[in-house]
Amino acid sequence: EAGVAQSPRYKIIEKRQSVAFWCNPISGHATLYWYQQILGQGPKLLIQFQNNGVVDDSQLPKDRFSAERLKGVDSTLKIQPAKLEDSAVYLCASSLFTRSYEQYFGPGTRLTVT
Amino acid sequence: AQTVTQSQPEMSVQEAETVTLSCTYDTSESDYYLFWYKQPPSRQMILVIRQEAYKQQNATENRFSVNFQKAAKSFSLKISDSQLGDAAMYFCAYRSPSSGTYKYIFGTGTRLKVLA
Repeated sequence: EAGVAQSPRYKIIEKRQSVAFWCNPISGHATLYWYQQILGQGPKLLIQFQNNGVVDDSQLPKDRFSAERLKGVDSTLKIQPAKLEDSAVYLCASSLFTRSYEQYFGPGTRLTVT
Repeated sequence: AQTVTQSQPEMSVQEAETVTLSCTYDTSESDYYLFWYKQPPSRQMILVIRQEAYKQQNATENRFSVNFQKAAKSFSLKISDSQLGDAAMYFCAYRSPSSGTYKYIFGTGTRLKVLA
């Protein structure tokens, strides 16, 4: 079974530029999560999708971050414009459904904002 | 709001020895789940072990076991017969079903070094 795929793996941009990350969850997984993991911290949930609907986006900075999951499969997370404090690893995870115990994580995208 | 605290930023253990990683949490809920996740360098985060709060028996998965003290809100991870492949960041996580979203709250992690 293929795991959660993310791209790109690394991205370096200047502040005020835009960036987008892509995630393809495990086939059949209804729930998809985007996390931000700042160096030295644990992952923080940004947004959670159930199929193509948003379940929780309470910690998403909506003035600059946006995410979508068209057709309930893959998802994109966008930052526009980026700030220095957005430097982090962005993790995508999926689970079979919201009540599932286990989340399967992707390898992450390491973003550096200079 | 729920919080998860891991007070040990880094731990070291000799190969084949036993190590315990600490985690405390704060919640007013009675029904929840606790997890330990492992994040090897430059690799995916994977689930190590989980504990349902309503179960009194401590969870065990091969060399990994937990000491769950519900009243003390403590959830430590014991790794027995440590192996070089156990070297990683370990995150304690809390998950509550009451919000309806089953959102995870992670601690700041403990970096485990295994010495040959």
